[in-house]
Amino acid sequence: GAGVSQSPRYKVAKRGQDVALRCDPISGHVSLFWYQQALGQGPEFLTYFQNEAQLDKSGLPSDRFFAERPEGSVSTLKIQRTQQEDSAVYLCASMPLLLLAAGSGANVLTFGAGSRLTVL
Amino acid sequence: AQSVTQLDSHVSVSEGTPVLLRCNYSSSYSPSLFWYVQHPNKGLQLLLKYTSAATLVKGINGFEAEFKKSETSFHLTKPSAHMSDAAEYFCVVSGGYGNKLVFGAGTILRVKS
Repeated sequence: GAGVSQSPRYKVAKRGQDVALRCDPISGHVSLFWYQQALGQGPEFLTYFQNEAQLDKSGLPSDRFFAERPEGSVSTLKIQRTQQEDSAVYLCASMPLLLLAAGSGANVLTFGAGSRLTVL
Repeated sequence: AQSVTQLDSHVSVSEGTPVLLRCNYSSSYSPSLFWYVQHPNKGLQLLLKYTSAATLVKGINGFEAEFKKSETSFHLTKPSAHMSDAAEYFCVVSGGYGNKLVFGAGTILRVKS
């Protein structure tokens, strides 16, 4: 597609419910990132995929958060037993290149519009 | 480790006057630095990036930023603000394996007519 597509754009969940957020990256993009943006704050890194491999999940805040990208394209971020502190905008971003080493350069990410999660 | 400090949470300017959004960074690596803009209900859009080439970087919509290593700063400027510039701006540093971006807390720019 022309850009990174995220769905749903808005999700309201009751505390304790499970949610799944979907990201369709730009076709052919190898690298995919998830970020969490709480109200009034900058986005914070959650996890990173190269193709189907999850290479970095150091930003996931708890074991209730799980991300997958089984075929190396679409990715799903799942949050189990949602809590109020999970309320945030979840941003997905992708880029075409495969990163090989530190300081690989300023490869530019294309961000989706985000999925806004509100937990009541 | 990388970090970014945006020195102003809100900036208000009049249309046609200069814009200055301030950013200081900290990085263990030779950093790559970016400015992104976020309009309400829109995705983050890249304004410009610094990648160890020219220290004065020109971006879209008339924005510029200057990398000053001695001051560890990467301030964003524009000579003349437009109403359409009203948005939230993020200074971002990247470094290390994985191109993990570290965002500042953001500066909300208000443009008065």
